[in-house]
Amino acid sequence: GESVGLHLPTLSVQEGDNSIINCAYSNSASDYFIWYKQESGKGPQFIIDIRSNMDKRQGQRVTVLLNKTVKHLSLQIAATQPGDSAVYFCAEIPGNQAGTALIFGKGTTLSVSS
Amino acid sequence: EAQVTQNPRYLITVTGKKLTVTCSQNMNHEYMSWYRQDPGLGLRQIYYSMNVEVTDKGDVPEGYKVSRKEKRNFPLILESPSPNQTSLYFCASSFTGGSNQPQHFGDGTRLSIL
Repeated sequence: GESVGLHLPTLSVQEGDNSIINCAYSNSASDYFIWYKQESGKGPQFIIDIRSNMDKRQGQRVTVLLNKTVKHLSLQIAATQPGDSAVYFCAEIPGNQAGTALIFGKGTTLSVSS
Repeated sequence: EAQVTQNPRYLITVTGKKLTVTCSQNMNHEYMSWYRQDPGLGLRQIYYSMNVEVTDKGDVPEGYKVSRKEKRNFPLILESPSPNQTSLYFCASSFTGGSNQPQHFGDGTRLSIL
């Protein structure tokens, strides 16, 4: 079936390093993608989004890259901090399904050590 | 503060005893949704609502009911809970249900059905 997935279930980095979290999607009709951060005991928190007519979008310390040719999405976190430790999910909304669910990947757990 | 509020945050109950999990948002969002999160399965949509008095099934609606009598509230009802409904539940909302709308999540309700 069509789904959004992440390449690695876990990623460990040192404080100050740059982190890259990857996600592959299979639904070519998807036109909107979101990265969420989920800390223990909390709900998913919106980080950044990107539309399919863009290749790159930057926020504060975060950048999302979208490669529609290979259906690949990535989240780059600059100067990773211990507070960035969390589970990161990519999610998509298929453009041909108004009002329906975000389709979530299974998540990558980012661990940042000091 | 803009937020999605769920109650209760934790509940342990027994099979067959009706329960309701409330969800309220203060952002005047039209779209609201319920998800459940299970290990290895990620987040899956249960029901969603495009606006007042408009609800529809998501991917895993069996055993659940919802109502949307007011814009701000979207309760999840388990008429006869069973152990397979033990899970972490999240309510989410967005301005509309279309693409390009990030959904904002509550902090979750952990249900244990014995």
